[in-house]
Amino acid sequence: EAQVTQNPRYLITVTGKKLTVTCSQNMNHEYMSWYRQDPGLGLRQIYYSMNVEVTDKGDVPEGYKVSRKEKRNFPLILESPSPNQTSLYFCASKANPGPYEQYFGPGTRLTVT
Amino acid sequence: GQNIDQPTEMTATEGAIVQINCTYQTSGFNGLFWYQQHAGEAPTFLSYNVLDGLEEKGRFSSFLSRSKGYSYLLLKELQMKDSASYLCAVLMNTGFQKLVFGTGTRLLVSP
Repeated sequence: EAQVTQNPRYLITVTGKKLTVTCSQNMNHEYMSWYRQDPGLGLRQIYYSMNVEVTDKGDVPEGYKVSRKEKRNFPLILESPSPNQTSLYFCASKANPGPYEQYFGPGTRLTVT
Repeated sequence: GQNIDQPTEMTATEGAIVQINCTYQTSGFNGLFWYQQHAGEAPTFLSYNVLDGLEEKGRFSSFLSRSKGYSYLLLKELQMKDSASYLCAVLMNTGFQKLVFGTGTRLLVSP
């Protein structure tokens, strides 16, 4: 089954404790992206990757890091989480290039206390 | 800057027709997507318009007017399961294929 997976699905952590949210897709997509979704603000792009070893900032990259060492994986790293990073996070992928639909993972609900 | 406007919330009755509007002002445009998102779940693709006009897909249709910066999603024969948020998103014509989302319209379908 074609899918994007994320882990963990739910996470409660404390300020300053480094964490990684994994994202993996099995569709051989070149393009992958991370979004956060907050009430009243919609989906906002954090980082994206056009292909292996090619990543760039989206609209809200502060406090986040990413890497793309393999085509299928695109982990999101929070080196020192803060309460304002409490949010619902989605990973997405799509074929590249072209105006194709993005496939979203199931989401990770992160709470930072 | 990019500005995408949708109504925050709409209500409708089972079996009815509802139209969800989206207006956009963006510095580039390469098409408009509509996604459906049930509460706490991932967005799922509904439609993509790049040319003016109406695209019909079963109970759902999507319309685009590029000159007016306007789109709508039309849902016919509403069902309870259509209660969800509907996200309008503009695909920018930049090299990195950015998708800019509106804040979404929450649709509540009542019996």
